Amino acid sequence: DADVTQTPRNRITKTGKRIMLECSQTKGHDRMYWYRQDPGLGLRLIYYSFDVKDINKGEISDGYSVSRQAQAKFSLSLESAIPNQTALYFCATSRGGEPQHFGDGTRLSIL
Amino acid sequence: GQQLNQSPQSMFIQEGEDVSMNCTSSSIFNTWLWYKQDPGEGPVLLIALYKAGELTSNGRLTAQFGITRKDSFLNISASIPSDVGIYFCAGHNNAGNMLTFGGGTRLMVKP
Repeated sequence: DADVTQTPRNRITKTGKRIMLECSQTKGHDRMYWYRQDPGLGLRLIYYSFDVKDINKGEISDGYSVSRQAQAKFSLSLESAIPNQTALYFCATSRGGEPQHFGDGTRLSIL
Repeated sequence: GQQLNQSPQSMFIQEGEDVSMNCTSSSIFNTWLWYKQDPGEGPVLLIALYKAGELTSNGRLTAQFGITRKDSFLNISASIPSDVGIYFCAGHNNAGNMLTFGGGTRLMVKP
């Protein structure tokens, strides 16, 4: 969905490095989410935000942090990356309780 | 946390065949969603269900919200090669806007 843009699309990095994944949206949605996808496990929620400066932990927040400084942007950080954080990461947005719309993902590999 | 059991995990069918997949949960959900994910892309919403017993169609796709609110199924009729992908169910409960995802059904269609 071109309305939800994730950067970078692919990233390979080393253990211990700080990584930031960016998400921006042009849909004007108030709510934004970060998910992690691993094979066979579906998508699991890392963090979500209902408005600027609002931050809520999801199912698997340990080892991650987020920032929502503007309505259109929601960034995900890995302060010190570890190999088991290798995964596909998705950003999603929604207007209120309506269904969520997803970006095309960031494939992150940590060596 | 909550889990959705999605089955089957994978299906390999002949073009033209009908497909059925389902999700079950030990908890009640207020909304059921079905998404499709193509390779290299994010999940795209196919069908949203909001009421127990609701039966909704989208072209060749039909989905139902189970009466017990603990299950949902998705049927695809007369499958075609572009139906290939991973299908996810997802559920919303009363506890905020957190979605719980099933593990996905990988569909492969032989021309």
